Amino acid sequence: AQSVTQPDIHITVSEGASLELRCNYSYGATPYLFWYVQSPGQGLQLLLKYFSGDTLVQGIKGFEAEFKRSQSSFNLRKPSVHWSDAAEYFCAVGRARGKLTFGQGTILTVHP
Amino acid sequence: EAEVAQSPRYKITEKSQAVAFWCDPISGHATLYWYRQILGQGPELLVQFQDESVVDDSQLPKDRFSAERLKGVDSTLKIQPAELGDSAMYLCASSPTGQNTEAFFGQGTRLTVV
Repeated sequence: AQSVTQPDIHITVSEGASLELRCNYSYGATPYLFWYVQSPGQGLQLLLKYFSGDTLVQGIKGFEAEFKRSQSSFNLRKPSVHWSDAAEYFCAVGRARGKLTFGQGTILTVHP
Repeated sequence: EAEVAQSPRYKITEKSQAVAFWCDPISGHATLYWYRQILGQGPELLVQFQDESVVDDSQLPKDRFSAERLKGVDSTLKIQPAELGDSAMYLCASSPTGQNTEAFFGQGTRLTVV
């Protein structure tokens, strides 16, 4: 069965600091990997996705993620966090047009 | 920019009552999903449609939940009777035909059962 683990429930960073959100997955085949962001009471917005090819993927809002097959990880990074990045972030694994399995989410708080 | 439309945005209902949610996917998207997100958790798939056919409803509590997509376009998710534990965000998503595609989510319906 596929599963996603986001070890950090809550992360606090200062504005301008770098950010890394961890994601580990379990999947029986080469997965499709996604990071979504959710503001309170809102739906999910796709930040970036990995299907194949270059293991370092660039997304919107200055985010990037690196797929490491040997570590079954897909960590999300941003070099300099802005106050508007405060939200909840979800990592997800799945296949084309198949169901997505989400992690529990990581809440990001940004201090001024 | 095309969006997945959901209504209502918020719904408060008493337990044992019936409640329904509506979703209109992005035009041309053949695959439609309903997810349930309990507060503090990630979304979990309830049902997946390919056109008008159910592809996966293994996690749908069929004694009280039903979903339909009669013409392969918009969809309705119904709960009858609602229970307190059904309080959650119900998210609809759609994805186009094609191999390397992602799911696009609507704003969700926040259900509170009292």
